[in-house]
Amino acid sequence: KQEVTQIPAALSVPEGENLVLNCSFTDSAIYNLQWFRQDPGKGLTSLLLIQSSQREQTSGRLNASLDKSSGRSTLYIAASQPGDSATYLCAVRGRKTSYDKVIFGPGTSLSVIP
Amino acid sequence: EAEVAQSPRYKITEKSQAVAFWCDPISGHATLYWYRQILGQGPELLVQFQDESVVDDSQLPKDRFSAERLKGVDSTLKIQPAELGDSAMYLCASAPGRSYGYTFGSGTRLTVV
Repeated sequence: KQEVTQIPAALSVPEGENLVLNCSFTDSAIYNLQWFRQDPGKGLTSLLLIQSSQREQTSGRLNASLDKSSGRSTLYIAASQPGDSATYLCAVRGRKTSYDKVIFGPGTSLSVIP
Repeated sequence: EAEVAQSPRYKITEKSQAVAFWCDPISGHATLYWYRQILGQGPELLVQFQDESVVDDSQLPKDRFSAERLKGVDSTLKIQPAELGDSAMYLCASAPGRSYGYTFGSGTRLTVV
């Protein structure tokens, strides 16, 4: 059974710092991994999607990497800003069943202090 | 940019009453998902549709929850009767296929009193 964990659960950094959020999964048989951002009381906004054949994806100040063999993904945020404050979730889409099954991690709550 | 529409945004209901949520996925997305998210946790899948067929409802409390997607387009999730523990955010998402990412709606925040 796929399990997804995220470390740390919460993170507080001063504005301008570079930071790394971690996502780990137990079963490497995946189609893809997706990073989301969630603001309080809101839905999820997709940030980056990495296919199983890819090693990384970049969008602006965000860079996500994927190491399937070790069951890890990282989300790197450069030059953090107060507007980056939100909860970041990773979601892993498995490939062992006849239909795709997506498991979410619990999220990392990020606070960027001005 | 295409969006997943959900309504209502907020719902307060009394315990034992019935409540329903509606979702309209992005046009052409065959796969539709309903998730429940309790505060401080990641979303948990309730039901997954492929077109009008349910392909996964293993986590759906079928004694009180039901979901349908009659024409393979929009979908309704119903709870009857609602219980206090059902208070959560209910999220709908859609995707064109398994190699693609999800797009989520804004969610419905349910409070059962």
